[in-house]
Amino acid sequence: GQQLNQSPQSMFIQEGEDVSMNCTSSSIFNTWLWYKQDPGEGPVLLIALYKAGELTSNGRLTAQFGITRKDSFLNISASIPSDVGIYFCAGHLGSWGKLQFGAGTQVVVTP
Amino acid sequence: DGGITQSPKYLFRKEGQNVTLSCEQNLNHDAMYWYRQDPGQGLRLIYYSQIVNDFQKGDIAEGYSVSREKKESFPLTVTSAQKNPTAFYLCASSPGQGSSDTQYFGPGTRLTVL
Repeated sequence: GQQLNQSPQSMFIQEGEDVSMNCTSSSIFNTWLWYKQDPGEGPVLLIALYKAGELTSNGRLTAQFGITRKDSFLNISASIPSDVGIYFCAGHLGSWGKLQFGAGTQVVVTP
Repeated sequence: DGGITQSPKYLFRKEGQNVTLSCEQNLNHDAMYWYRQDPGQGLRLIYYSQIVNDFQKGDIAEGYSVSREKKESFPLTVTSAQKNPTAFYLCASSPGQGSSDTQYFGPGTRLTVL
């Protein structure tokens, strides 16, 4: 199936730095979702976006649903060691249920 | 407390054997899904079910089978026809109520075929 284009593939950052990642698609999405996955665990939902232009925060996380409905970004401010993991974007093309997933962004935080 | 459970966490099987992975949810969600994840890759949809007694093939259904006899349960069978079954399998569920539908994942089962 179609994959979203998620970038960067990996990031190595120092504790306290901000992190930014994004996803783009050639198709218009109705919903954008951001998940975090720790090694050997299932993805955990971080933020859900349902309207174009929507900007939503969850603690140090901020995500936006792009105006064109073809992109979304996730920012993590003031990173801490527990931010380590893989972050996935996902979206609904329109028919509910089936999600398209990005390939993930691996975040590594060094002290 | 509510959530999605998958069992077992780790599963080992010999080549040529069928194996069934369990997924149970007590969130009263209508829809359930099975995904496969390979190292360094995203999630690929195997099967999904929008309602009891109904299910559809996802992008990589070959070599897999499912059933949905109860709302809370959606077991996945990995058959001997699946050429490369070793992977991390994730079950998810969602309310199934339209475009605001959001999926929640279980903890996963890592299947290793020897």
